[in-house]
Amino acid sequence: GAVVSQHPSWVICKSGTSVKIECRSLDFQATTMFWYRQFPKQSLMLMATSNEGSKATYEQGVEKDKFLINHASLTLSTLTVTSAHPEDSSFYICSARVPGGSYEQYFGPGTRLTVT
Amino acid sequence: AQSVSQHNHHVILSEAASLELGCNYSYGGTVNLFWYVQYPGQHLQLLLKYFSGDPLVKGIKGFEAEFIKSKFSFNLRKPSVQWSDTAEYFCAVNEPDSWGKLQFGAGTQVVVTP
Repeated sequence: GAVVSQHPSWVICKSGTSVKIECRSLDFQATTMFWYRQFPKQSLMLMATSNEGSKATYEQGVEKDKFLINHASLTLSTLTVTSAHPEDSSFYICSARVPGGSYEQYFGPGTRLTVT
Repeated sequence: AQSVSQHNHHVILSEAASLELGCNYSYGGTVNLFWYVQYPGQHLQLLLKYFSGDPLVKGIKGFEAEFIKSKFSFNLRKPSVQWSDTAEYFCAVNEPDSWGKLQFGAGTQVVVTP
């Protein structure tokens, strides 16, 4: 099946610094990728839709200047958390939509971000 | 905006018991429906999906789900659970014209005791 990877799997950073998380579709091309945030014992909250070659579409309440998304190629989308603060600590998950008419998504393993 | 409700947040049952997890959605138009599972320490995996056709869909690992349009429901079932079914289960919905973005339910933590 389709495989989506994320890097890093976990990261600790100091408050005020920026962190970049990569999401790659390993064996298929994904024109659309999604970024989610998952708080402990809670569901996934969609942050933004990332389309290759165009600007990301952010969900209501998500700060686009804080969570920068770049979908530079058909296999790579990046999420940069800028000027991170402790409240940004969370589990960030990406997914990639299978190309074609299917609406299936394959999920990455997630990135645990801890801001100290 | 549509919403997805999962009725049980936490379910504990013994091996060989039957499992049914409820899922209701609010959107009145055409939707695609999914159940995902997240095993401890692993990423989300697709259990099954419904796009159209037979409302009873079968997925992996012996799971099935029934789409009842009149009730806006898509309940997940498994006749006999195993200890390895311990996981978090998420119902998700998307609208066909929304780039495929998913709206997730709150999730149900299922614990199967030996």
